[in-house]
Parts: sequence; structure tokens; C-alpha cells
Amino acid sequence: QQQVKQSPQSLIVQKGGISIINCAYENTAFDYFPWYQQFPGKGPALLIAIRPDVSEKKEGRFTISFNKSAKQFSLHIMDSQPGDSATYFCAASLINTGGFKTIFGAGTRLFVKA
Amino acid sequence: GAGVSQTPSNKVTEKGKYVELRCDPISGHTALYWYRQSLGQGPEFLIYFQGTGAADDSGLPNDRFFAVRPEGSVSTLKIQRTERGDSAVYLCASSFYTGELFFGEGSRLTVL
Repeated sequence: QQQVKQSPQSLIVQKGGISIINCAYENTAFDYFPWYQQFPGKGPALLIAIRPDVSEKKEGRFTISFNKSAKQFSLHIMDSQPGDSATYFCAASLINTGGFKTIFGAGTRLFVKA
Repeated sequence: GAGVSQTPSNKVTEKGKYVELRCDPISGHTALYWYRQSLGQGPEFLIYFQGTGAADDSGLPNDRFFAVRPEGSVSTLKIQRTERGDSAVYLCASSFYTGELFFGEGSRLTVL
């Protein structure tokens, strides 16, 4: 079954702290692992993504760590800021002909305290 | 440089009525996706189009749901005989070939 499990459901972090969100997947055919950020009333927007042939990817304060053998990946937000308060979704994609079927986790609501 | 446009932004209907939700993707994007998002949940895949054809409709919950993309651009999600359980935000996204989905702001459907 194509499933992506995400934890925790919610997270409260002090400003300047590290936020860590974890995901696990089942289908080893997935070949693209994005993280999306969603603010209330808006659609999700891509934050950062990784391919399974790479163990880590960093973009600014955001880092994905990927463990292919464990079928797990995580998002680390360094120096968390109040503006990072949002809902974060991990996802996994299967490349089909010309499109990407993307399966999302249930989301993590992050609140960064000032 | 417009993004994905969805109309209406809000739709309130009565149980049993027919509803159409429209999505206008980013120009040039070949793939178009429909997702449904219930409160506190992640987007749930419904269907995606590559050009005019539905490449994968495995997420459509039942035959009350149908989607079209007749000219390979604008798409319409159609829901017949709406039920209260259909209440959700319906998200549309489009993509080119990079894997990144560009989402609209969604159409919030409320079935009374």
C-alpha cells in the first residue's frame, strides 16, 4: 500500500531552536521525497526535496536527512523562527509517464514561540 | 506569471446537489492534479491528468466524482449527489517535469 506516515502531529519549539519532523514510507518504488509547507488558507508550497540516491540535502536553514535502508526521512529546521509556524507535509512521489503521483503524510503543525 | 487559479474559492451546497469546481493551471504545465484536504489532514490524491487524459484516477472515492480536462489546460472536478462527507478543501496543482507541484489556494466545499 502506498502510505507515508508522519510524526509528530504537532510541535512547539522555542525561537532559535531546532524543529525535527519525521516520515516513514513503505513503497520502495518511490523516487522523489518532497517537503511542503502550508499556511492557513493557502495551498501547500514546496520547501525542499530529495532523491533516494542522496543521504542529505541542505538549503539554508532546512535540511532533509534520508535513510533509504530504513525507509525514513526527516526535516530539520535550524534556528527556527516564528515565521516558520505552519503545517509541514512530507510526501513521496512515483514518477509516471510525464507526471508525478505524490502521496502526502498527515502533516505536522509547527508553532515557534517568540 | 499567474499561479494556479481555482474557482469558486468557497461553495456551500445542499446534500444531493451537483457541484463543479474549476482549475486553471499554470500556462505550459502539462500535468494537472486534484487533491482533497480534510481539516487537519494531508492532501489526499484524487486524480491526475497528463494532457487531456486521466493518467491515474485511482484516488476518486466513488462514481459520484468525475473530472475532465478537455483541451489539456483547464480542468473541472464534478461531484454528483453531494454528501456531507464530501465537505473538504479541494486542491488543484499543476507541474511541468520537475516533480514540484504548484498548488492553488483551493475550493472550500461545504455540504449542508
